[in-house]
Amino acid sequence: AQKVTQAQTEISVVEKEDVTLDCVYETRDTTYYLFWYKQPPSGELVFLIRRNSFDEQNEISGRYSWNFQKSTSSFNFTITASQVVDSAVYFCALSRSGGSNYKLTFGKGTLLTVNP
Amino acid sequence: ETGVTQTPRHLVMGMTNKKSLKCEQHLGHNAMYWYKQSAKKPLELMFVYSLEERVENNSVPSRFSPECPNSSHLFLHLHTLQPEDSALYLCASSQDPGPFYEQYFGPGTRLTVT
Repeated sequence: AQKVTQAQTEISVVEKEDVTLDCVYETRDTTYYLFWYKQPPSGELVFLIRRNSFDEQNEISGRYSWNFQKSTSSFNFTITASQVVDSAVYFCALSRSGGSNYKLTFGKGTLLTVNP
Repeated sequence: ETGVTQTPRHLVMGMTNKKSLKCEQHLGHNAMYWYKQSAKKPLELMFVYSLEERVENNSVPSRFSPECPNSSHLFLHLHTLQPEDSALYLCASSQDPGPFYEQYFGPGTRLTVT
């Protein structure tokens, strides 16, 4: 069975602070995909990143960075110099790779509030 | 219109009503999905369609009935719902089914069952 745990239910920071959102996953598969999605107050989930389990390189995209560590089954997300527009619920998700695997297993999400 | 649209955005219905949720994608994608987002629970995949054919039914009660008349439109027909069915229902699409393809989500329909 697959499982995604986002232990932080809510985080509140002041603008310009750095913030890290934790994601720990469980899977018996040797190959899989990991994702982060953002859900702003408008409701629609916005895709942020997909990472293949073979690729453990960390990634940086602007103020966003992701730290994938297979040894600890973690895929953490850091926002540098947070802004009010970053306020949203962030979801980490896991999927099996290959074949007819359509299911994304989501964590419960972390509500990030960035205060001015 | 661009992306994935859903109508209505809000719906209140009684347990004996019949209603339908509509999703339309303008991205030329071949796969469409229905998800349920309840308070304090992870997003749950309900159905997956690939080229109008249902390829996944994730143990969803029969009071939820999906319909995919073409690759751009997806419906979720609702009848005799229960109060615990109140949730945000999200539609998504992707180029093809499977985790390799990024899913694009609509804004959701907020459903309240009274």
